[in-house]
Amino acid sequence: GQQVMQIPQYQHVQEGEDFTTYCNSSTTLSNIQWYKQRPGGHPVFLIQLVKSGEVKKQKRLTFQFGEAKKNSSLHITATQTTDVGTYFCAGQGRDDKIIFGKGTRLHILP
Amino acid sequence: EAQVTQNPRYLITVTGKKLTVTCSQNMNHEYMSWYRQDPGLGLRQIYYSMNVEVTDKGDVPEGYKVSRKEKRNFPLILESPSPNQTSLYFCASSLGTGHPPFYEQYFGPGTRLTVT
Repeated sequence: GQQVMQIPQYQHVQEGEDFTTYCNSSTTLSNIQWYKQRPGGHPVFLIQLVKSGEVKKQKRLTFQFGEAKKNSSLHITATQTTDVGTYFCAGQGRDDKIIFGKGTRLHILP
Repeated sequence: EAQVTQNPRYLITVTGKKLTVTCSQNMNHEYMSWYRQDPGLGLRQIYYSMNVEVTDKGDVPEGYKVSRKEKRNFPLILESPSPNQTSLYFCASSLGTGHPPFYEQYFGPGTRLTVT
């Protein structure tokens, strides 16, 4: 069945350094969403990408959707302590089912 | 305030004792879903519902039941809980999932279940 792999599983960065997490799907996706879960909290929607090659920015966050619509990335520039949490991608396949990646836990070292 | 509510937030129970976790949304969303979250495994979908009286299995449906009699409610039922169902459970809702692409999911606060 459809799988969405997300790497890395964990990332420790110094405050101010950049951070990137990647999602790769075994099948072509209709679209992909990104969520952030703060420690002890629930996932919160960040953004959705639909078009092949799409790039969207939210302040220090840049999201990309691959040309083949099978991979995506989230890049954070100059991380801050408020960026701490786990970032999940969620892809929708052609059967309309939604598959979440296992997430990347970001830890910021002060 | 637009929200998804879950009850209870915490539950400790014993093996075999039937339990229900309620989920309710006030956004008139068509799509509702249940996930379980376990360390290292991320969010795995248990069941989902595209609309009233329409439910379907997700990736890990074994040991769970759901119903969707009303648009706003989507309870999760564990008929005979076992220790391997100890987990953090999230209910979520969204406007829909059909084409055009699915809308953002709003998650409830979570229910931490321990089965001894």
